[in-house]
Amino acid sequence: SQTIHQWPATLVQPVGSPLSLECTVEGTSNPNLYWYRQAAGRGLQLLFYSVGIGQISSEVPQNLSASRPQDRQFILSSKKLLLSDSGFYLCAWSRQGKETQYFGPGTRLLVL
Amino acid sequence: KNQVEQSPQSLIILEGKNCTLQCNYTVSPFSNLRWYKQDTGRGPVSLTIMTFSENTKSNGRYTATLDADTKQSSLHITASQLSDSASYICVVRRDAGNMLTFGGGTRLMVKP
Repeated sequence: SQTIHQWPATLVQPVGSPLSLECTVEGTSNPNLYWYRQAAGRGLQLLFYSVGIGQISSEVPQNLSASRPQDRQFILSSKKLLLSDSGFYLCAWSRQGKETQYFGPGTRLLVL
Repeated sequence: KNQVEQSPQSLIILEGKNCTLQCNYTVSPFSNLRWYKQDTGRGPVSLTIMTFSENTKSNGRYTATLDADTKQSSLHITASQLSDSASYICVVRRDAGNMLTFGGGTRLMVKP
């Protein structure tokens, strides 16, 4: 069976500090991978998606970047966090050519 | 503009009662509509998916309806249970590309 992991579960960081959130998927190969942000009381916003190693598409201009160094690893990063980066970050995966996305447990980020 | 609007924003019901959540969308061209359940602090989990030709889809006590002419969907929960307390998110996929548009969700609380 497939599982998706995210860590850390929660993170409190000062403004201006760097960020690295990690997402890994087990039990499948060559998945599509997605990073979403969910602000409090608002819908999910797609930040990045990847269809393969080293292939990253950005959906919105922002202070964040994403990388896919391995087939089942997706990393969300920032060099300098802003207050507005606070939120709930969700990683998701889907099979190539399939629409259903499976979400990870999420990382709650609070920037102070 | 492609949008998904959900109502109500929040809802409190007593255990055992039924409820209906609404979703209106302007996403075009339409591909499919999915309802997700998101427990607090967790990733969303898919409940139902409907394409243009499907009017209703059930998953246990959850029944989703779709009117593609009026661009409206509803999620009906029958005989609510305490475990139904969660956010319910309506998601519409465009019939082009890999884009999903998420509604802001309805936060449901079931009280004993």
